[in-house]
Amino acid sequence: AQSVTQLDSQVPVFEEAPVELRCNYSSSVSVYLFWYVQYPNQGLQLLLKYLSGSTLVKGINGFEAEFNKSQTSFHLRKPSVHISDTAEYFCAVKDNYGQNFVFGPGTRLSVLP
Amino acid sequence: KAGVTQTPRYLIKTRGQQVTLSCSPISGHRSVSWYQQTPGQGLQFLFEYFSETQRNKGNFPGRFSGRQFSNSRSEMNVSTLELGDSALYLCASSLAFEGTLYYEQYFGPGTRLTVT
Repeated sequence: AQSVTQLDSQVPVFEEAPVELRCNYSSSVSVYLFWYVQYPNQGLQLLLKYLSGSTLVKGINGFEAEFNKSQTSFHLRKPSVHISDTAEYFCAVKDNYGQNFVFGPGTRLSVLP
Repeated sequence: KAGVTQTPRYLIKTRGQQVTLSCSPISGHRSVSWYQQTPGQGLQFLFEYFSETQRNKGNFPGRFSGRQFSNSRSEMNVSTLELGDSALYLCASSLAFEGTLYYEQYFGPGTRLTVT
C-alpha cells in the first residue's frame, strides 16, 4: 500500500527567505506525484505534478519540486516566499493501478513579515 | 468555466441524524471523488463515481454512501452521524475516462460538517 510522509507539520519562515517542504512516499510501483495547496476555507489547488520525464518540475506561484526515485522523495521548494504563500501544503501520490490519490498529512507554511 | 460547487458550505447536525451533501462538478467532467478532511486523519479518500457508477471506494463504514446522477452531479450521504464524522468534506471532479491512468482533479471549497 502506498503512504506519504510529510515530516514537518509546521514550517515558519521569514518573508523573502527560501523554503523547502519535504515529502517522502512509499510505493513498490511507478507513481505520479503531486503537490497541492489549501488556503483557509478553500479547497485544494494543484501546484505542480510529476508524471514522467524531467525530475525537476516547475509549478505555479514560483514553486518547484524535484523527484528523487532512489530516495523516494518529492520535496517542494521556493527560492523566496511571500506572505501570500501562507497556507497548508499537501503532497499526494497515485500509482499506475489505483484510481485514488493518497495524501500526506500536510505541512502548514507560515510566512512571517 | 464555473468551478466545482458544493452545498451547503456549513452544516450542523446532531448525533444519530443523517446528512446529505451535494457536489456539482465542472461542466463536462464525468468523475466525482469525495474526501474527508480532519485534523487527526488528514485527507482520506471516500469514493469515486464515474458515469453514475461507483468506481472506487475507500476504507469507510457503510454509513457513508454516495451516488451520481446523469448530469454528473453527486451526493454523499452519512447516516447515523457520530461525533467523529465532524470534518470538512471535499469533492473533486475530473475529466477521467475509462482506462486513463492520470487525470487532474479540481477541488470544491468543501462542506464543513459539525456533529454535536
